[in-house]
Amino acid sequence: DIQMTQSPSSLSASVGDRVTITCQASQDISNYLNWYQQKPGKAPKLLIYDASNLETGVPSRFSGSGSGTDFTFTISSLQPEDMATYYCQQRGFTFGPGTKVDIK
Amino acid sequence: QVQLVQSGAEVKKPGASVKVSCKASGYTFTTYDINWVRQAPGQGLEWMGWMNPNNSNTGFVRKFQGRVTFTRDTSTNTAYMELSSLRSEDTAVYYCARGLTSNYGGNRYFDLWGRGTLVTVSS
Repeated sequence: DIQMTQSPSSLSASVGDRVTITCQASQDISNYLNWYQQKPGKAPKLLIYDASNLETGVPSRFSGSGSGTDFTFTISSLQPEDMATYYCQQRGFTFGPGTKVDIK
Repeated sequence: QVQLVQSGAEVKKPGASVKVSCKASGYTFTTYDINWVRQAPGQGLEWMGWMNPNNSNTGFVRKFQGRVTFTRDTSTNTAYMELSSLRSEDTAVYYCARGLTSNYGGNRYFDLWGRGTLVTVSS
């Protein structure tokens, strides 16, 4: 089974900061990687699919890159409403453990 | 309105079964997979499995083998997840999610989610 890891597990940043989260797969998954945002008490929301494709309606400050085993998710300018936990997911199966993003 | 509406919270005793429903509206139910994802309190997301509403084909994580059943009723556009032999570790919010496949067929992703159903297992 393919295992997913994320780092960091949590971070705290200021409004306007650039935030980067990494996700690593235990084996090559090409670009079969998705990113979701989950706010407390809410269902997850799709942000990025196919490693770098922005879901319709998602702000352009969110972006993703990578292929193979190493992937990156970036928020170019952190906003207060971005406080959430972010999960990567490989190919519609295993999720990463999540990265909790707090606002300083 | 495109949405997935899930059934209400459940409280079950250990050893019992629970059946959660997920009613689709606003799109053709049989076109997309329905996936089930659960989240224990304070924990991350755990994908449980999927069902193709068109042909009832299913797939699930090995750990749930023998305990989980995915079904659907195309007359009401509703998918169901039944989990049996419940134990305290099954206490979680259970989500259904619509699965899309990338244009080239290699990736699957979940673009539409239900609000979740809290299942509490307690004696």
